[in-house]
Amino acid sequence: KNEVEQSPQNLTAQEGEFITINCSYSVGISALHWLQQHPGGGIVSLFMLSSGKKKHGRLIATINIQEKHSSLHITASHPRDSAVYICAVRPSNTGNQFYFGTGTSLTVIP
Amino acid sequence: GAGVSQSPSNKVTEKGKDVELRCDPISGHTALYWYRQSLGQGLEFLIYFQGNSAPDKSGLPSDRFSAERTGGSVSTLTIQRTQQEDSAVYLCASSLAPLAGGLSTDTQYFGPGTRLTVL
Repeated sequence: KNEVEQSPQNLTAQEGEFITINCSYSVGISALHWLQQHPGGGIVSLFMLSSGKKKHGRLIATINIQEKHSSLHITASHPRDSAVYICAVRPSNTGNQFYFGTGTSLTVIP
Repeated sequence: GAGVSQSPSNKVTEKGKDVELRCDPISGHTALYWYRQSLGQGLEFLIYFQGNSAPDKSGLPSDRFSAERTGGSVSTLTIQRTQQEDSAVYLCASSLAPLAGGLSTDTQYFGPGTRLTVL
């Protein structure tokens, strides 16, 4: 069983649509990261969350610690948002280990 | 450059050979992580360095894998007697000094990765 589950696995959207990617985890955590991996492999860290909500441009990330759930929202999606979005959690009792979701592949069509 | 750099970008080797992968973190970043991403798989944590502390090796898959970090900066990941299942993209990331308690929760900056192919 994977400690981190993401949904959906694949997502296709029209340009301009509002997008939500979900992440559920099964362990207590000290932090949750959302990462973006573009075709070609480069990975960018989008957010690090331990509570509440963060916003950066058209991206919004929320976390509910009690429900062990986080969402990544993209408003006014654009084709350049096409990438794999990965949720990663740092469990609170295992030092520096990270557990990763398998990613959500997003394609935004013009 | 200002980002994390890794070398080589691609490495093809024969089964049984040893390989060394290099990571240059962002200057001033004391935390350094190695991950690998196998084809079709998610990211997998390998090892974590923080300053002069003993590294967290809990993610290393076997004793064929080892890593060093010299002078708190450059890191080398060594895989001995490579196997075909070692084929993956090996990613390095760095972040700023940790919060109290030794845990780094800062944003991680990833390098471009080294694609290792073991024939």
